[in-house]
Amino acid sequence: TQLLEQSPQFLSIQEGENLTVYCNSSSVFSSLQWYRQEPGEGPVLLVTVVTGGEVKKLKRLTFQFGDARKDSSLHITAAQPGDTGLYLCAGAPQGGSEKLVFGKGTKLTVNP
Amino acid sequence: NAGVTQTPKFQVLKTGQSMTLQCAQDMNHEYMSWYRQDPGMGLRLIHYSVGAGITDQGEVPNGYNVSRSTTEDFPLRLLSAAPSQTSVYFCASSETGRNTGELFFGEGSRLTVL
Repeated sequence: TQLLEQSPQFLSIQEGENLTVYCNSSSVFSSLQWYRQEPGEGPVLLVTVVTGGEVKKLKRLTFQFGDARKDSSLHITAAQPGDTGLYLCAGAPQGGSEKLVFGKGTKLTVNP
Repeated sequence: NAGVTQTPKFQVLKTGQSMTLQCAQDMNHEYMSWYRQDPGMGLRLIHYSVGAGITDQGEVPNGYNVSRSTTEDFPLRLLSAAPSQTSVYFCASSETGRNTGELFFGEGSRLTVL
């Protein structure tokens, strides 16, 4: 079974601070997705990274896929209260399985 | 835009009762799936379907049945509810069966089994 380990599990910061969330595995993934989930709602896709070493930017969010395609990170610059939520990474195992593997998530709270 | 619609949003059952969680999508997606989300456990795949008439098991299928008679609908049946099935259930769909596709999630169904 391929696992995705997310860290930290919980993160509470003040508005304006920067933060990084990590998603690590010993397995190789053909692609990796990041989702954000707000309370009482389903997860919503933020980004998909598919190439080793790829960096994608979405306003204040920067996503990186590791060179070996075993890990990924999400960096938020100048966090805002609206960034509060559960951040989930999900990996597509090599070999074409239909089953995405989800990490357990990082619960981020940004205090005003 | 309805997207993925789940009903009911909340349900309380007694141990041993059966029920069906409904999921419908209006995006003509081939791929549909059911997840359960528990504190500290993340999202775990219960069952999935790559098209009408085709279903397969995920990571935690025991105690659940699914069917896919149409492209739009993918109901999840709990045969004999147990307290361990207390969870939040999410239905998700994707345009294709390839696992690189974006998953569109419903708002979830919160189930409590007493």
